[in-house]
Amino acid sequence: DGGITQSPKYLFRKEGQNVTLSCEQNLNHDAMYWYRQDPGQGLRLIYYSQIVNDFQKGDIAEGYSVSREKKESFPLTVTSAQKNPTAFYLCASSLDSNYGYTFGSGTRLTVV
Amino acid sequence: GEDVEQSLFLSVREGDSSVINCTYTDSSSTYLYWYKQEPGAGLQLLTYIFSNMDMKQDQRLTVRLNKKDKHLSLRIADTQTGDSAIYFCAETLNGSGNTGKLIFGQGTTLQVKP
Repeated sequence: DGGITQSPKYLFRKEGQNVTLSCEQNLNHDAMYWYRQDPGQGLRLIYYSQIVNDFQKGDIAEGYSVSREKKESFPLTVTSAQKNPTAFYLCASSLDSNYGYTFGSGTRLTVV
Repeated sequence: GEDVEQSLFLSVREGDSSVINCTYTDSSSTYLYWYKQEPGAGLQLLTYIFSNMDMKQDQRLTVRLNKKDKHLSLRIADTQTGDSAIYFCAETLNGSGNTGKLIFGQGTTLQVKP
């Protein structure tokens, strides 16, 4: 079955450490997106990529980095420069804006 | 700038109808969407409406679009406890460099009381 997979579901990180969140899709979608969700704030766009080997900053890119070496994969690294990394992170992909996004099930990151 | 606004909370009794409202700003949006998020999960596409339509019905869901007022609504008939979730409105963002991007509202938490 086609879909988009985020791993792990829960992640704990010590302050000062970098951590990478995985996002893989087998939907043959060109575009992929990373969002951060905090209670009461909806979704905020971190980075997006519309094609392999290219990506753009979203509204809150500071303290994050991404890569898009393969069409299927769009990993997000939360660096130690991100001041408040504890949040729920959602990855999405789309074939075309007219079809909306398909979302993964999310990764909850907690800094301890 | 682009913005999508929703009220944050709605509480209804089981069996009643729920109406969730949304206003958006980009008049060139081609599609508008409603997503549902259950606790601890990702977002699930519920329904969408093309901008040249003013209403779309899909079983218990009715979407109404008022382009003049840039207002979108989602009506859920015979609301059940399983409908308790956060509902997000989203619009496509058009224009140079924005192809394919969706802008989401803050989400409306729907609480269904038995």
